[in-house]
Amino acid sequence: LAKTTQPISMDSYEGQEVNITCSHNNIATNDYITWYQQFPSQGPRFIIQGYKTKVTNEVASLFIPADRKSSTLSLPRVSLSDTAVYYCLGGKAAGNKLTFGGGTRVLVKP
Amino acid sequence: NAGVTQTPKFRVLKTGQSMTLLCAQDMNHEYMYWYRQDPGMGLRLIHYSVGEGTTAKGEVPDGYNVSRLKKQNFLLGLESAAPSQTSVYFCASSKPDRSLGSNQPQHFGDGTRLSIL
Repeated sequence: LAKTTQPISMDSYEGQEVNITCSHNNIATNDYITWYQQFPSQGPRFIIQGYKTKVTNEVASLFIPADRKSSTLSLPRVSLSDTAVYYCLGGKAAGNKLTFGGGTRVLVKP
Repeated sequence: NAGVTQTPKFRVLKTGQSMTLLCAQDMNHEYMYWYRQDPGMGLRLIHYSVGEGTTAKGEVPDGYNVSRLKKQNFLLGLESAAPSQTSVYFCASSKPDRSLGSNQPQHFGDGTRLSIL
C-alpha cells in the first residue's frame, strides 16, 4: 500500500478552484489513486479514481503526472457545500481493503 | 434507495457492557467492512468480510467481534466495552475485489456514535 501525504487543511472562497495535491512516492505499478469526500456526521463518499494522466467526472478532476509520485484533485468553482475532508488513498490490499490517512480539511468561505 | 443502513445511530454504554452494531446493505455487495473514526482522524479498519460466512481482521480488531451470517448484514460486537472504544463506527460495502490495483468504490453508512462511560 502506498503511503500518502496531503496537506492538513486548506481554505478557499466560493467560486474558486481548489487543488489538493497528494504525494505517494512508493506507489506500486498497479496501484490506482482514489479520493473520497467526507462531510461532518456522514460516512466518506467516493469521488474519483485514476491511474495516470487525467480523469474527469461531474464532481472533480484528477491529474496524475507520468512518474505517478503525486496526484492533484481539482474541485472547480467550489461552493460552501464543498466544505469537507478529502482523503487520498493509494492502492489497496487484498479484499479491497483501504487505508485512510488524516485527510485534507477544506473550508470554503463566502 | 437505502444503500448502507446502520443501527443504532447513537448509543451510550457503561464500561463492561456489551452491544451489537448492525449494518445492512441492499446493493447485493459481496464485501463489507467496519471502520472506526476517532475525532480529527482518518478511518481505521476493524474487521471486514469478503462474503457470507467469512470474516477477517483489519488494522484494529482487538476488543471487537463480527459476524456475517447473511450477505446483506454485517454485525459488529463489543463484548466488554471500554472507554477507549468511544468513537464513530462506520460500515461500508463494495463489489468484489478487482484483479489490479484499482479500488471498487466503497459505499458507507452514516455512522454510529458510541460513547462509553
